[in-house]
Amino acid sequence: GENVEQHPSTLSVQEGDSAVIKCTYSDSASNYFPWYKQELGKGPQLIIDIRSNVGEKKDQRIAVTLNKTAKHFSLHITETQPEDSAVYFCAASISRGGKLIFGQGTELSVKP
Amino acid sequence: NAGVTQTPKFQVLKTGQSMTLQCAQDMNHNSMYWYRQDPGMGLRLIYYSASEGTTDKGEVPNGYNVSRLNKREFSLRLESAAPSQTSVYFCASYGAERNTEAFFGQGTRLTVV
Repeated sequence: GENVEQHPSTLSVQEGDSAVIKCTYSDSASNYFPWYKQELGKGPQLIIDIRSNVGEKKDQRIAVTLNKTAKHFSLHITETQPEDSAVYFCAASISRGGKLIFGQGTELSVKP
Repeated sequence: NAGVTQTPKFQVLKTGQSMTLQCAQDMNHNSMYWYRQDPGMGLRLIYYSASEGTTDKGEVPNGYNVSRLNKREFSLRLESAAPSQTSVYFCASYGAERNTEAFFGQGTRLTVV
């Protein structure tokens, strides 16, 4: 079955710096790759997603890149702010009712 | 629009007791999921239901049962709770057939003593 590996497990950056989180997946049939942000005491919330027919997607300070050949995808956050501090999860899924499998999570800390 | 609603929010059980975690969604999604979240282990899939009337095992199904009561509701049952089941449990619903966003409930923090 699908396996998703996520690195690093913790990441500390200075406010204004960039942060990059990387994930690899095992099932070449996976075609949907969302990223979730989880704040303390809350459920995860989608921040950006990408489908396998696209190599890159950007939404303001957040971007995701996908390399299907290497089976890895990455989250890029630019100009980080203290409110970006949270746990971030990547996930992979085969569409049409397939399982949504998550990585282990990255705890991002942005220091003012 | 409530999204995904989980009950209860907190629960303490004694070893061997049983309980059912409830989940309901109002987004007309076909797929629903139960995850558990433990420190350093991310979100691990317990069971999922791709459509009403179907359920399948995820990564860590042992010790749990599920029921997809109808399209809206997906419950998770612990028949005989064990301390290893102390965790935060999340329900999610997902428009997988349309590759739309998965929405999560607020979680149930369960402690088994």
